Amino acid sequence: VMTQTPLSLSVTPGQPASISCKSSQSLLHSNGRTYLSWYLQKPGQSPQLLIFDVSSRFSGVPDRFSGSGSGTDFTLKISRVEAEDVGVYYCMQSVDLPLTFGGGTKVEIK
Amino acid sequence: EVQLVQSGAEVKKPGESLKISCKGSGYRFTTYWIAWVRQMPGKGPEWMGIIYPGDSDTRYNPSFQGHVTISADKSLSTAYLQWGSLEASDTALYYCARSRRFRDAFDMWGQGTVVTVSS
Repeated sequence: VMTQTPLSLSVTPGQPASISCKSSQSLLHSNGRTYLSWYLQKPGQSPQLLIFDVSSRFSGVPDRFSGSGSGTDFTLKISRVEAEDVGVYYCMQSVDLPLTFGGGTKVEIK
Repeated sequence: EVQLVQSGAEVKKPGESLKISCKGSGYRFTTYWIAWVRQMPGKGPEWMGIIYPGDSDTRYNPSFQGHVTISADKSLSTAYLQWGSLEASDTALYYCARSRRFRDAFDMWGQGTVVTVSS
């Protein structure tokens, strides 16, 4: 089970934001990789990959997005929120089947 | 350009069958896994299953196994999700998404296919 907090965030542009994702099991695989990724689903769009393997930014993702954590506790941080960052953020574990997503965190702009 | 293009919206009656598709282009289709993900109205994504078109190795979420079938035609670079008998609870938005290796993150998503099941 993947538990995300908070359910929603209202952020002033330029201010930081942080989202937590906790897993009921360790996401560290025996191959040494930790299978935790973050996605952003903008309104009316498909999810898009932001971060994979806990902290690796996907191609084209701005460096204001960063991921951290280990084992069962993970965090996505946005250093300075911009208007284009609105949407629902999901974490996903892929260490074990079935792959599961967190419940989502809705980010709005104040 | 790398893309996954899904088939169009469907409106069906309970008990009917349905097959939706996801066509990959701009990359070597047989070397990426394709997953299917359900998103019910106002809810988060749910992973349904995954297929490797290169050899049709397929894994299912137990919550969906037996109700849906995932397949692929590598000659058409297309993956499929099909139902033998739809239920009203299958009403949802369905996405396909690709990953390079089995547990990798999904780096490309289709645009989604809306399925509405109503009598």
